[in-house]
Formats: sequence, C-alpha cells, structure tokens
Amino acid sequence: GNSVTQMEGPVTLSEEAFLTINCTYTATGYPSLFWYVQYPGEGLQLLLKATKADDKGSNKGFEATYRKETTSFHLEKGSVQVSDSAVYFCALSNSGNTPLVFGKGTRLSVIA
Amino acid sequence: EADIYQTPRYLVIGTGKKITLECSQTMGHDKMYWYQQDPGMELHLIHYSYGVNSTEKGDLSSESTVSRIRTEHFPLTLESARPSHTSQYLCASSPDRGLTGNTIYFGEGSWLTVV
Repeated sequence: GNSVTQMEGPVTLSEEAFLTINCTYTATGYPSLFWYVQYPGEGLQLLLKATKADDKGSNKGFEATYRKETTSFHLEKGSVQVSDSAVYFCALSNSGNTPLVFGKGTRLSVIA
Repeated sequence: EADIYQTPRYLVIGTGKKITLECSQTMGHDKMYWYQQDPGMELHLIHYSYGVNSTEKGDLSSESTVSRIRTEHFPLTLESARPSHTSQYLCASSPDRGLTGNTIYFGEGSWLTVV
C-alpha cells in the first residue's frame, strides 16, 4: 500500500541554521508529493508540492525535490527563522480517488 | 486562500452528550474529509465523502458519524461523547479533477474536550 515515513522530531535549530526534514515514501505508480505545515493552533496549509519525478516544489524559502530513484521528497530551507516553528507533514496522493496519505509529522522549533 | 470553516473552534462538553461539529466550504469542492489529530500530532482519517450522499469510513475506526446532504456542508456527529473522544478534529476539502496532485484545503480545526 501507500505510506509515508518522515523523520521523527522534535527538531530544534538556531535561527539561520540549515534545515532538512527527511521524507521517504512507498507507492505504486506515480504519486504526487506534498509538504503541509501546521502553525500552532491552526489547521494544515499546503507548503509546496511536486507532481512528477524530478520536479522541485518551492515556497517561502522551502524546497523539496521529487526523487523517484530514492523514493524521497526531503524538505530543505537554507536559513530558518523563528516564525518557521511549526509541525511539518509529508504526504502523498496516488490517485484521484484515494485520500492523501500523511506522515506522522515533524515538529520544528527555531530559537533565536 | 482556502474558504473552509469549522465551528465550534473550542468546546468542552460532558460525557454522554451529543455533539455535532460543523464544517462548511464555499469552494464548490466535491471531496471532503474529517481527520482526527492526537496530541502526538499524527493525523488519522476518520471519514470522507466524494460527493452528495456519499460517505466512507477512513483508516481509523471512529464512533462518529457524518452526513453529506449538501455539497458545501459535511458535519460530524458524536451521539454520546466520551473522554476518549477528546481530540482535535480537522475538516478538509479538495476539488475533484480525477487527477493526483489535487491540493487539500484544511479548516482551522475544532478542539473537543470531553469531561
């Protein structure tokens, strides 16, 4: 079946540090991949997505590249800010008729 | 900007009470979802709907029920709340384009505490 595995947190970084949150997936066919972010007290919102191999999604300084050969979609940001503190979810969609499959979430705390 | 609304945002109720969590979206999306999010952050799909009069159970067994009488409305009901139902409930919707890659839009969540 379809599944997503992302690195466990919490991750604590100093401001301006480099961020990587690993995400790997298992799926048949050609899934689309997503990163969602959940700020404290809020629902999830789409951060970025990629719909085919080698696509790079980017938004707000975050990037992730769809690597089919390693079945990965790692999230990166070159310089994190305190305002990036949130929970990040990796997710995949493998057909138009099945719901998104989410990873377990990674909590990021950025300290000044 | 997503237009999906949940009410109430916060609710404390007693054991045995009936509660309905409301969810409405103004985007005309055919697909709607309910997720339960535990304190450890993990999301569990409990119900989904792909259109009016269509409802399905999700991956996590839930004592709640849902209905989809109108496209824009997808309420979740607990007939008899218990402390184990204490959680955050997230409603979401997505367009039905029959393709992968459709973005899911989330509401801000309903925090339910059963005492």
